Amino acid sequence: EAGVVQSPRYKIIEKKQPVAFWCNPISGHNTLYWYRQNLGQGPELLIRYENEEAVDDSQLPKDRFSAERLKGVDSTLKIQPAELGDSAVYLCASSLRGGREQFFGPGTRLTVL
Amino acid sequence: QQQVKQSPQSLIVQKGGISIINCAYENTAFDYFPWYQQFPGKGPALLIAIRPDVSEKKEGRFTISFNKSAKQFSLHIMDSQPGDSATYFCAASNSGSRLTFGEGTQLTVNP
Repeated sequence: EAGVVQSPRYKIIEKKQPVAFWCNPISGHNTLYWYRQNLGQGPELLIRYENEEAVDDSQLPKDRFSAERLKGVDSTLKIQPAELGDSAVYLCASSLRGGREQFFGPGTRLTVL
Repeated sequence: QQQVKQSPQSLIVQKGGISIINCAYENTAFDYFPWYQQFPGKGPALLIAIRPDVSEKKEGRFTISFNKSAKQFSLHIMDSQPGDSATYFCAASNSGSRLTFGEGTQLTVNP
């Protein structure tokens, strides 16, 4: 069974540029998460989806970050405009509805210059 | 109240030794305590998890010890191997809430 797929794996952009990350969760997983992991720290939740509904986005900086999960499968996380402090690894995870075990993708390492 | 504090930040152990990583939490509503293992360039992967109705859970060389009254839990890696060298994160959540991670412990097992 394929795991969580993320692309791109690496992205380098200039500050003030837009950037987007894509995630394809494990087949059948209704719940999808986006996390940000700063260097040397644990992941921090940005947004959680149940199917296509965002049920927890309290930690998402909505002035510059946006996310969507059309049709309740794939998801895209966007930053516009990017700032230097956005440099981090962006992780996508998925789980079964009500399941506690979260399966993580390999992440996208973003560098903002 | 959502914090999970993890120690040590880094740990060096000789092959065959025991690695011990500790975590403490504040929110008494937490009812799920997983440990994740992360290798460089990879996402975290679930290693072992425990619920507060048991004091210990063992899977192979990995054991979680849980102390509900002290609000602490720990990961023990027996017979540590060089392949165990990775970053380990404890985490906690309660039903319907976000998973809160500790800051991680970088484990190095010397051959």
